Amino acid sequence: EVQLVESGGGLVQPGGSLRLSCAASGFTFSSYDMHWVRQTTGKGLEWVSAIGTAGDTYYPGSVKGRFTISRENAKNSLYLQMNSLRAGDTAVYYCARGGGSYGSYYMDVWGKGTTVTVSS
Amino acid sequence: SYVLTQPPSVSVAPGKTARITCGGNNIGSKSVHWYQQKPGQAPVLVIYYDSDRPSGIPERFSGSNSGNTATLTISRVEAGDEADYYCQVWDSSSDHLFGGGTKLTVL
Repeated sequence: EVQLVESGGGLVQPGGSLRLSCAASGFTFSSYDMHWVRQTTGKGLEWVSAIGTAGDTYYPGSVKGRFTISRENAKNSLYLQMNSLRAGDTAVYYCARGGGSYGSYYMDVWGKGTTVTVSS
Repeated sequence: SYVLTQPPSVSVAPGKTARITCGGNNIGSKSVHWYQQKPGQAPVLVIYYDSDRPSGIPERFSGSNSGNTATLTISRVEAGDEADYYCQVWDSSSDHLFGGGTKLTVL
C-alpha cells in the first residue's frame, strides 16, 4: 500500500524552528517528486515546497529563505526544515507525492498531515 | 500572478448533478486537477489532466476545461460526496496554485 506518514509537528514560539519528516512506503520513493502543502484552520490549501528526483528544490515567496526541503532516498524520507517561524505558518502540513509532467504537475498521494502551531 | 476562482459553496439534492467551477484567465490552456477533502481528512486526487480519473475514483466524477472555466461534474450525487473540492494548476509565475475551495452540500 502506498503510504505517507508525517511527523514532527508541535507548538513552537515565533522565531523558532521545527523540522518535519515524512516517511514513504509502498512505492519507489527516489523516482518521484515530493511536495509539502499546508492548510490553515478552516482555510484552503497552499503549496509550500517541492523537491525533484535530482534534488532540485522549489518554494513560493512566502517561505523562500526560511524553509528548506530535503530528501533522503536511502531512508525513503522527506523533510521540511522550518526556521524563523511566524504565526501565519500555523497550519496542518501535508506531505504529498508528485505526479504529472512539466506544466501539468499534480499530487496523487497525500499523508494525513502534521499540525504546526506557532504561538507564544 | 495567476488566480483561480471557485464558488464558496454549491448545494445539490441526492441523485442530481453537481457542477463545481474553477475560473482562471485562459485556464483552458492549462492542465487542471481536482481534489476532494472530507472533514478531518487529507485531500484525495479525483481528477487529473482536466478529465482523467485515478483508479478507484467512481465514473460519476468527470472534468472538463475550456476557455476561462474548468468544471468538475459529479453525477448522481450521494451523501458521501459532501466535501470541499479544490482545483489546482501549475503556472510558471505562481508554481503550484490551488483554488480557494468549494464546499459541496448534499441537501
